[in-house]
Amino acid sequence: EPEVTQTPSHQVTQMGQEVILRCVPISNHLYFYWYRQILGQKVEFLVSFYNNEISEKSEIFDDQFSVERPDGSNFTLKIRSTKLEDSAMYFCASSGFQWEGYTFGSGTRLTVV
Amino acid sequence: QKEVEQDPGPLSVPEGAIVSLNCTYSNSAFQYFMWYRQYSRKGPELLMYTYSSGNKEDGRFTAQVDKSSKYISLFIRDSQPSDSATYLCAMRETSGSRLTFGEGTQLTVNP
Repeated sequence: EPEVTQTPSHQVTQMGQEVILRCVPISNHLYFYWYRQILGQKVEFLVSFYNNEISEKSEIFDDQFSVERPDGSNFTLKIRSTKLEDSAMYFCASSGFQWEGYTFGSGTRLTVV
Repeated sequence: QKEVEQDPGPLSVPEGAIVSLNCTYSNSAFQYFMWYRQYSRKGPELLMYTYSSGNKEDGRFTAQVDKSSKYISLFIRDSQPSDSATYLCAMRETSGSRLTFGEGTQLTVNP
C-alpha cells in the first residue's frame, strides 16, 4: 500500500538552529500538508500546499516556518530558528484530492535543546 | 467552547465487546468527518471517512454522523487486542483544507 515517508524519524537540534524535515508524499497525490503534535496534546494543522504554493496556513505557521517542494517527489518543512516550544512530532500528509481523507507519515520527532 | 470535543478516556473493554467512540463539535461548517487510529509514536492512520450526515460501514467499523446534533460516532464490533490505540476524530469544512482534530480517546482491548 502506498505510504508517506518522513525522514529523519528523530532529530535533536540546539535552540536557534535551522532544521529541515523531509517528506516523500504518495506519488500521484496533489495536496500536501504539515501537522504537528506536541506531547500529550492534539494534532494541530500547520500548512497545506497545492500547485507549488501555500493554500492555507494556521496561526502557528509564522515567519520562522517555510515549506518547499524542491523537486517532483520531496516536500520539506524548514524551521529557521528553532525554539524549545517547537519540540513536537511533525507529521507530513498528502491526498489525491482535497475532499479525500489524508494519508499521514509516521512523523519526525523534533527535540530542541 | 472547543471546536471539537472528544473524551480522552482511557477506555478499557474486554475482547469481543462493542466499542463506541464519540466526538461533538461546534462548527456547523464542518462537512467532512474522519476517524483516525494512532498507535504510540506513530502517525494517524485513516480508518473511516464520511461526508455530511449518515452512516458508513467498513468491516467491523461503523461511522455515524448526526449533523443536527453536531455529533459523530465510531463503533467497533468484536473488538480485538490489536484495536488498542488512540482514536482521533477529525473534521474539515468544505472550503478549507485544514483538519481539526479531537484530543483522541485511548482505547485498550483486554484479551
